[in-house]
Amino acid sequence: AQSVTQLDSQVPVFEEAPVELRCNYSSSVSVYLFWYVQYPNQGLQLLLKYLSGSTLVKGINGFEAEFNKSQTSFHLRKPSVHISDTAEYFCAVSDRGNAGKSTFGDGTTLTVKP
Amino acid sequence: EPEVTQTPSHQVTQMGQEVILRCVPISNHLYFYWYRQILGQKVEFLVSFYNNEISEKSEIFDDQFSVERPDGSNFTLKIRSTKLEDSAMYFCASSGGLWDGYTFGSGTRLTVV
Repeated sequence: AQSVTQLDSQVPVFEEAPVELRCNYSSSVSVYLFWYVQYPNQGLQLLLKYLSGSTLVKGINGFEAEFNKSQTSFHLRKPSVHISDTAEYFCAVSDRGNAGKSTFGDGTTLTVKP
Repeated sequence: EPEVTQTPSHQVTQMGQEVILRCVPISNHLYFYWYRQILGQKVEFLVSFYNNEISEKSEIFDDQFSVERPDGSNFTLKIRSTKLEDSAMYFCASSGGLWDGYTFGSGTRLTVV
């Protein structure tokens, strides 16, 4: 079984500042990793995913994440945030032997202030 | 861009009543899922569905729950006898491949009174 810990429940940041949303996972097998974003009153939208290969993955809206196997982390970063990035962000993990099922973290609320 | 459509957006039902939550996944997707999110809690896996049968289900998905793909386009979640603790946002998701990541619908907020 796997688990996901999002280390910050809320992250306030000023517009144009960089941001990092932290995610650690635990699994006894190899995993795939995902970040989703949820805007108010909407469903979750896939930001990016790590399946294999380069540990730095780029996603939509200028976000990127780095897979670190030794630290079992998959932190999400953006060099300069906009007001429109205000949303809930979810990290999710799937083990490679499972039929697509994902385990989600508790979510991190990113609030971008002007 | 293709979307996953869920109806209704909000449903209020009395305890003990049956509810059916409806979803239209993306047409060329093969894998279908239901997740739920109780207010203030995690997004929880309920069930995955592939090739017209359940691939996996969680402990939450007991005998009161069932899923169906009745006509090749709709994907439904039925709760036979709702309980207060079933109140949550229910999300349908689909994917074209096992590891493509999900496309989620906007959710149905179920309120059991």
